[in-house]
Amino acid sequence: GDSVTQTEGLVTLTEGLPVMLNCTYQTIYSNPFLFWYVQHLNESPRLLLKSFTDNKRTEHQGFHATLHKSSSSFHLQKSSAQLSDSALYYCALHMGYKLTFGTGTSLLVDP
Amino acid sequence: EAAVTQSPRNKVAVTGGKVTLSCNQTNNHNNMYWYRQDTGHGLRLIHYSYGAGSTEKGDIPDGYKASRPSQENFSLILELATPSQTSVYFCASGDYREVYAEQFFGPGTRLTVL
Repeated sequence: GDSVTQTEGLVTLTEGLPVMLNCTYQTIYSNPFLFWYVQHLNESPRLLLKSFTDNKRTEHQGFHATLHKSSSSFHLQKSSAQLSDSALYYCALHMGYKLTFGTGTSLLVDP
Repeated sequence: EAAVTQSPRNKVAVTGGKVTLSCNQTNNHNNMYWYRQDTGHGLRLIHYSYGAGSTEKGDIPDGYKASRPSQENFSLILELATPSQTSVYFCASGDYREVYAEQFFGPGTRLTVL
């Protein structure tokens, strides 16, 4: 069935270093649509960014991701991590008004 | 601004008891969803609805029922609560008119079943 796989567990970075959180997916749909949601401590998940067409980069709030159908990937990147980026990040696959979420990756940015 | 509210925010229940979690949205969205969040499992879909009177099973519906009496309200019902249902529950809404619609989440309900 359809599924999403993310970098597992906790990723710890020093402020200023680049961020890359991996997301790969499996789906029967030929035109998948992917999202990244972010959840800060004691808050609810909110949309960070969403994919467009194959090989097209999407950006929001300093983060960017590119859908690559050839490798079934939608990795989240940022050039320079900030302390405020510490949060739980979910990659999600859109399937007919439903979302299938990955297990989430916790990002901790240290000073 | 999108608005999804949930009640109660925290709940302690006993095994075998009935629990009802409520969700209200003022977004005028047709689609509503119930998820549970557990470490190592992420967000998993329990039930969802396309509008008043409709409920659909999600990926993990066993042990849960849902009710959508109106556009604004969507409830999750645990008829016989078990400790394995201890979790954080999120309600969300989405606009059916946009195929790849963003989902707006409520603040969550922390449920503990003893």
